[in-house]
Amino acid sequence: GENVEQHPSTLSVQEGDSAVIKCTYSDSASNYFPWYKQELGKRPQLIIDIRSNVGEKKDQRIAVTLNKTAKHFSLHITETQPEDSAVYFCAASSGGSNYKLTFGKGTLLTVNP
Amino acid sequence: NAGVTQTPKFRVLKTGQSMTLLCAQDMNHEYMYWYRQDPGMGLRLIHYSVGEGTTAKGEVPDGYNVSRLKKQNFLLGLESAAPSQTSVYFCASSYFGASLTDTQYFGPGTRLTVL
Repeated sequence: GENVEQHPSTLSVQEGDSAVIKCTYSDSASNYFPWYKQELGKRPQLIIDIRSNVGEKKDQRIAVTLNKTAKHFSLHITETQPEDSAVYFCAASSGGSNYKLTFGKGTLLTVNP
Repeated sequence: NAGVTQTPKFRVLKTGQSMTLLCAQDMNHEYMYWYRQDPGMGLRLIHYSVGEGTTAKGEVPDGYNVSRLKKQNFLLGLESAAPSQTSVYFCASSYFGASLTDTQYFGPGTRLTVL
């Protein structure tokens, strides 16, 4: 089955700096890669996703890049703010479907004022 | 439009007791999922359903059963709870079809403690 590795497990940055979280996946058939943000005690919420037919996608301060050859994708957050502090999860579609996801173990991002 | 809701929010069980977690969604989604979240382990898929009357095993199905008798509801059952099932349980749902967004929408979670 699909295996998703996520690094780093914790990341601390100063407000205004950039943050990068990286994930690798094992199933070459995976074609959908969402990122979720989970604040303490809350539910995971989708912040951005990318499909295998594009290499990069941006949404304001957030961007995701995908390298299908190397089987890795990354989340980039620019101009970080304290409210960006949360756990971020990457995921990859698995089992040859778009509806079943395998999640990474998460990255705790702390943005220091 | 409540999205995805879960009942109960918290529960404490004794080893060997049984319980059912209820997930409901009002978005007419075909797919529904049950995950468990443990510290440092991310979200792991327990069971899922691709439509009313269907269920399938995920990554960690042992000790759990599920049913999807109605499209809007997905039930997760623990027949004989064990301390290893102490976790936060999330339900999620998503649209049918690759041409539409595959976003999974999560419920607020159920925090279960098994003593």
